[in-house]
Amino acid sequence: AQSVTQPDIHITVSEGASLELRCNYSYGATPYLFWYVQSPGQGLQLLLKYFSGDTLVQGIKGFEAEFKRSQSSFNLRKPSVHWSDAAEYFCAVGPSSYMEYGNKLVFGAGTILRVKS
Amino acid sequence: GAGVSQTPSNKVTEKGKYVELRCDPISGHTALYWYRQSLGQGPEFLIYFQGTGAADDSGLPNDRFFAVRPEGSVSTLKIQRTERGDSAVYLCASSLIGGTVPKEQYFGPGTRLTVT
Repeated sequence: AQSVTQPDIHITVSEGASLELRCNYSYGATPYLFWYVQSPGQGLQLLLKYFSGDTLVQGIKGFEAEFKRSQSSFNLRKPSVHWSDAAEYFCAVGPSSYMEYGNKLVFGAGTILRVKS
Repeated sequence: GAGVSQTPSNKVTEKGKYVELRCDPISGHTALYWYRQSLGQGPEFLIYFQGTGAADDSGLPNDRFFAVRPEGSVSTLKIQRTERGDSAVYLCASSLIGGTVPKEQYFGPGTRLTVT
């Protein structure tokens, strides 16, 4: 069965500092991987996704993530955090086999990012 | 354009009552998903529709939960004999389908259900 682990429940970084949020997955084949962000009262917004090809993927809002098959990881990074990045971040995995009928996602428990000025 | 909308945004009900949660997907999106997000957890898959039919309902926790999408657009999640453990945020998402890679799921803001 697929599973996603986000080891850090909370992370606090200073504004302008770099950020790395960890994500490890368990899946039998190469998965499709996603990072979503959820701000209070808002729906989940997709930051970036990895399907295949270049293992370093760029997303919106200056975020990037790197797929490392050997470590079963898909960590999210940002070189300089802004106060508006404070939110909860979810890593998710979806099946990589060809699916004609959609793609249910398995989410991690989330990491809450706090930004201090 | 309009995103996924969900109504109501908040619902408080008494234990044992019946509730209906509504989802309006993005126009033209054939796929519709329901997820449940309990406090401190990530969203958990409940059911997936392709068009009017439920293609995968493996995430529904028990037979008190039921969902419909009669015209292939709006969907209603129905919960009978609610229990305090049903309290959570219920998220709806929609997407296009087809091709060889998954299509992005667009999420609504959710309905916060509180069972007292």
